[in-house]
Amino acid sequence: DTGVSQDPRHKITKRGQNVTFRCDPISEHNRLYWYRQTLGQGPEFLTYFQNEAQLEKSRLLSDRFSAERPKGSFSTLEIQRTEQGDSAMYLCASSLNTGDGYTFGSGTRLTVV
Amino acid sequence: AQSVAQPEDQVNVAEGNPLTVKCTYSVSGNPYLFWYVQYPNRGLQFLLKYITGDNLVKGSYGFEAEFNKSQTSFHLKKPSALVSDSALYFCAVRSGGGADGLTFGKGTHLIIQP
Repeated sequence: DTGVSQDPRHKITKRGQNVTFRCDPISEHNRLYWYRQTLGQGPEFLTYFQNEAQLEKSRLLSDRFSAERPKGSFSTLEIQRTEQGDSAMYLCASSLNTGDGYTFGSGTRLTVV
Repeated sequence: AQSVAQPEDQVNVAEGNPLTVKCTYSVSGNPYLFWYVQYPNRGLQFLLKYITGDNLVKGSYGFEAEFNKSQTSFHLKKPSALVSDSALYFCAVRSGGGADGLTFGKGTHLIIQP
């Protein structure tokens, strides 16, 4: 297992377009998390899955954001009608048990122009 | 609401000297506390955690952290700093009985001078 994989690494999009990111967690990890990190800040929690169930959503996750984990394996994060304020690094992480340290992916850097 | 404060944007330490990176937190209930490190152009890596038990926890790369309930602190320490320890360090917290999502601090740049 090569760890948590995120695709793409970089995405440049025009304002108003939709974008989708993918995360492949460590295969035996049933917990999957999405975070967003902007320059000079720590990661901010977006949402969390246990298996295929989305158990938590942050208030940061506006109606334009949606996340899925259909078979309890990989996850996608979609942003509709992107805005310049969505420009950030989107991080995915996974863990096996509650209280475990996360394994983070390298992130997807989104630039909205 | 839970929160984390890392009062120092940057900490400078000479190689071979002990280092401390400070973290204080606010959370309801028992805290789960974590330290992560971010090297340039690399993803966040888990260093260590406190869930319960001994207040002094040991982690990767010779780092340790001390949980102090009365001061609501979880400072990261290392007895002898290496130049390779230079990185961005994040403290994070969640409530033990609450939601799984972590709240991270803003991070502290640790610079180890040769």
